[in-house]
Amino acid sequence: AQKVTQAQTEISVVEKEDVTLDCVYETRDTTYYLFWYKQPPSGELVFLIRRNSFDEQNEISGRYSWNFQKSTSSFNFTITASQVVDSAVYFCALSEVKTSGSRLTFGEGTQLTVNP
Amino acid sequence: EPEVTQTPSHQVTQMGQEVILRCVPISNHLYFYWYRQILGQKVEFLVSFYNNEISEKSEIFDDQFSVERPDGSNFTLKIRSTKLEDSAMYFCASRFQGRTDTQYFGPGTRLTVL
Repeated sequence: AQKVTQAQTEISVVEKEDVTLDCVYETRDTTYYLFWYKQPPSGELVFLIRRNSFDEQNEISGRYSWNFQKSTSSFNFTITASQVVDSAVYFCALSEVKTSGSRLTFGEGTQLTVNP
Repeated sequence: EPEVTQTPSHQVTQMGQEVILRCVPISNHLYFYWYRQILGQKVEFLVSFYNNEISEKSEIFDDQFSVERPDGSNFTLKIRSTKLEDSAMYFCASRFQGRTDTQYFGPGTRLTVL
């Protein structure tokens, strides 16, 4: 069975600090997808990024960057120069391709608070 | 930009009552999902739906739950006899096609069972 672990329950930083959110996953499949979603206080789930298991190239998008390491089954997310608006719960999720429905398995989430 | 919509945003019901949560997926999407999130907890998969039938369901999705696509646009989740523990945020999601596409989520319906 697939599993996603986000060991950091809460992180608190001061604005402009860099912050890294950790994600470790377990799956028996060789083909899978990893995702990060953001849940702001308003409650919706906002898609941030998707990575497939064959693409270990790290990505930078503005202040966001992602570090995918298959050898350690990790898919970490870094926010550079954090802002108050980044305060949210961040979820890492895994989707195995083999299942007909391709359900998402979510981690427990990391509550990020950015203080001014 | 197209988005998934859900109604109502908040539903309050008495234990034992039936509720229907409604979703309008993105128009050209083919796969539909329901997830739930109990307050303060992680998001959990309930069911996936494709080609007018359930393609996968979790152990949470027992006989009191059902899904339906009654017309070309709506996707509904029915809870037949609500329990206190059904209180949660229910998210609908949809994706275009293929097992690798991204699921896009609606804003959620907060269900409160009294």
